[in-house]
Amino acid sequence: SAVISQKPSRDICQRGTSLTIQCQVDSQVTMMFWYRQQPGQSLTLIATANQGSEATYESGFVIDKFPISRPNLTFSTLTVSNMSPEDSSIYLCSARQGSYEQYFGPGTRLTVT
Amino acid sequence: SQQGEEDPQALSIQEGENATMNCSYKTSINNLQWYRQNSGRGLVHLILIRSNEREKHSGRLRVTLDTSKKSSSLLITASRAADTASYFCATDRRAGNMLTFGGGTRLMVKP
Repeated sequence: SAVISQKPSRDICQRGTSLTIQCQVDSQVTMMFWYRQQPGQSLTLIATANQGSEATYESGFVIDKFPISRPNLTFSTLTVSNMSPEDSSIYLCSARQGSYEQYFGPGTRLTVT
Repeated sequence: SQQGEEDPQALSIQEGENATMNCSYKTSINNLQWYRQNSGRGLVHLILIRSNEREKHSGRLRVTLDTSKKSSSLLITASRAADTASYFCATDRRAGNMLTFGGGTRLMVKP
């Protein structure tokens, strides 16, 4: 199994600012993903983080709002840009090796005031 | 968009009883995974069942998969108060593809 850590675990940010969330996996993985979980809701995929190339975004999510980096097989960052209160959510990093189990980090709880 | 729908949305039982949660999905899948989430924390992976499997067990958990009905169930036997959490099913349509989540079932186990 993969152990995933995220930083920060939570933050309170002012509207209009940006926050970068870091995700570290304890082993090399082929796939890394970023999900959003709005209060009381299920998880929605934001994008697949591709090593060495641009992330693949799902419908409704754009690179200018959620830029993602993945410089190697164990690390990725998600930036939430120009934040508004509607961005208040839990952001979860996830990793998967092939067709095996997919694991999740502990999440970053973001509150935008 | 959500691939799966879970039923019921909320379930309240007494400690010691069994809890059954159901998940339906729309398209063919490679595998289906079940997760637990405690009160806004990260997701804990419970079990993965592949499309060519019909049943899997892990401790007090039993998962079934019926690909003809596009449905799965998670049974927790002899529930404990510590099982109180939200449970999600998630599917992928191709090997190594990203997971799509159902809406989740909020389980409360009363001591």
